[in-house]
Amino acid sequence: GAGVSQSPSNKVTEKGKDVELRCDPISGHTALYWYRQRLGQGLEFLIYFQGNSAPDKSGLPSDRFSAERTGESVSTLTIQRTQQEDSAVYLCASRGNRDIFHNEQFFGPGTRLTVL
Amino acid sequence: AQSVTQLDSHVSVSEGTPVLLRCNYSSSYSPSLFWYVQHPNKGLQLLLKYTSAATLVKGINGFEAEFKKSETSFHLTKPSAHMSDAAEYFCVVSDDRNTPLVFGKGTRLSVIA
Repeated sequence: GAGVSQSPSNKVTEKGKDVELRCDPISGHTALYWYRQRLGQGLEFLIYFQGNSAPDKSGLPSDRFSAERTGESVSTLTIQRTQQEDSAVYLCASRGNRDIFHNEQFFGPGTRLTVL
Repeated sequence: AQSVTQLDSHVSVSEGTPVLLRCNYSSSYSPSLFWYVQHPNKGLQLLLKYTSAATLVKGINGFEAEFKKSETSFHLTKPSAHMSDAAEYFCVVSDDRNTPLVFGKGTRLSVIA
């Protein structure tokens, strides 16, 4: 498809387990963002990848959170030793060079994570 | 530092009546401003964006927003609400292309038949 895709769409896990969330950006988009949306809240920034530059990790809430990106393609967000407060929808967005000046980002459908 | 305040957490209107969702922003620069809509269990969809070309911005589904620098506002309007407009709406600001988007907390729009 032409849009940003994320998998899985839903993930239920037990407290203490590790989870991996995947994002496939729009082909050719150099920038990729991860956000978290807690119930009834706006989006919180987590991490930003731009091409081959070092990622901006300033939004990661703890060292249990990490993310990787292979070149300008797929990204995975990993949460280790999950806690109940990690329950949220995790959204990925990508941005192409044509949209860079105004920072228009295109969002995926999200992964709903529930930690029991 | 940039920030966004959505003044109403919930707005309820009758079908066919006007919609007004209020947003005030704080920005050090000339910002880009966006409205996104999120329907239940759906992804975020861009409604419209302000990028300094024109202060009155027209978006999809009949929505408009007006950038008022003197009031630091970017309110979203629609002349006549439709049932399908019921959703969560987010006002978003961006100062710089290398920074993440900053989201408001959202306004839930209910449309009553």
